[in-house]
Amino acid sequence: EIVLTQSAGALSMSPGERATLSCRASQSINSDYLAWYQHRPGQAPRLLIYAASSRATGIPDRFSGSGSGTDFTLTISRLEPEDFAVYYCQHRGTFGQGTKVEIK
Amino acid sequence: QVQLVQSGAEVKKPGSSVKVSCKTSGSTFSSYAISWLRQAPGQGLEWVGAIMPIFGSTKYTQRFQGRISIIADESTSTVYMELNSLRSEDTAIYYCAREPSPDFDVLTSSYTSSSFFDFWGQGTLVTVSS
Repeated sequence: EIVLTQSAGALSMSPGERATLSCRASQSINSDYLAWYQHRPGQAPRLLIYAASSRATGIPDRFSGSGSGTDFTLTISRLEPEDFAVYYCQHRGTFGQGTKVEIK
Repeated sequence: QVQLVQSGAEVKKPGSSVKVSCKTSGSTFSSYAISWLRQAPGQGLEWVGAIMPIFGSTKYTQRFQGRISIIADESTSTVYMELNSLRSEDTAIYYCAREPSPDFDVLTSSYTSSSFFDFWGQGTLVTVSS
C-alpha cells in the first residue's frame, strides 16, 4: 500500500507570502492520480489540483501543482486570508496526513 | 450546478447501525462514481468506499469489509451508506463525494479505484456514544 507523507505538519506564514507544500509517495505513482485539496474548518474539502498539475474549475491561478514519480508540490504563490487552511494530497484511496497553513 | 446534499447528524449507540444519504443533482447520476470518506476528530481524511451506479459496483476499504454497505437509488439520484456494529472509533464526519473519472474494469464492469473527488457533500456528523 502506498503511503503519502506530507513533510510539514504546519506552516506559519504571512499573507502575501509564497507557500510550498510537499507530498512524498512511498513508491513511484502515476501522476494522473495525484490530487490536492483544501479543507477549511466546518466546510467540505475542496478540490484544487488533479492529475498533479491541472487546476480544478474555479480555482485561482495562484494555486499550482507540480511533480512526478514520488515527489509532488503544491504552491500558493501569494497567500490570501482565505488560504489559511489544511491541505491534503491524495492518491487513489490514500490521503496524506495534511499540512496546516496557519497565520504567523 | 452539481450538488450533493447529505442527511443530518446522527447520534448512535455502540453496536447499532447508521444510514447516511447523499442526494445528488446537476449531473447525470449514473455517469460517475460516488465515494464516501470520513474524518474522525483530530484526524485526516479516510476513504471508506464507493459505488459506481451505472454498474451497481461497489468497493470498500479493507478495514470496513463486512460492516459497510453502499447502495444507489437511481430513481432519486441518491446514494446511501450504511455502517453496522458501530464503535466509538466510528465517530466522525462522513462525506460523500463525486468521482468524475473513476477507474473501472471494462471486462467485469466493476469499480476498481478512485481517482479524485470534484464535488463534495456538506458532511454528516455521526456520533457513537453510550
